[in-house]
Amino acid sequence: EAGVTQFPSHSVIEKGQTVTLRCDPISGHDNLYWYRRVMGKEIKFLLHFVKESKQDESGMPNNRFLAERTGGTYSTLKVQPAELEDSGVYFCASSLDSNYGYTFGSGTRLTVV
Amino acid sequence: GQQLNQSPQSMFIQEGEDVSMNCTSSSIFNTWLWYKQDPGEGPVLLIALYKAGELTSNGRLTAQFGITRKDSFLNISASIPSDVGIYFCAGQYGFNKFCFGSGTKLNVKP
Repeated sequence: EAGVTQFPSHSVIEKGQTVTLRCDPISGHDNLYWYRRVMGKEIKFLLHFVKESKQDESGMPNNRFLAERTGGTYSTLKVQPAELEDSGVYFCASSLDSNYGYTFGSGTRLTVV
Repeated sequence: GQQLNQSPQSMFIQEGEDVSMNCTSSSIFNTWLWYKQDPGEGPVLLIALYKAGELTSNGRLTAQFGITRKDSFLNISASIPSDVGIYFCAGQYGFNKFCFGSGTKLNVKP
């Protein structure tokens, strides 16, 4: 079984540019999450999809961040325009059930310069 | 909102030593999880705890869900070089939502 896959693994962009991160969850996992870890800090919740619907987007920092999950399969997280403080590692995770934790992807390291 | 205080932030130990790390919070959690992140990888689940007071082992790892539901610890016995990584605690609150600690970076000297 393939794990959670994230693209790209690294991205370096200039302030003001747009970046789109992609996550392919484990096949059959309806629950998909985006988390972010800023250097040395905790991993913070961004949002949660159940299939194609946003179950909870309370962690999204501001309206420069847009997440989509068309068709309930893969998800994208777009940052437009990127700011310096958006740098960090963006993790995607998926799960079947609420009580067994997540399977994380290996993350996308975003650096905004 | 929920916040977890994880300590220590980092540890430098000799191979063979035992390790202990913990997380505390002012909030109550329903489930505690412990993850390990290897360099360049995503966090991988090590141990899940579902009941207050529960003590669970996974090989050389032992974790406990605090009786007050506000804390948890993780012990690693007889550390080996491949234990190197960042360990995160996570507490579940609400529907399938987790609050993570800031991580404990473990370095093991052979």
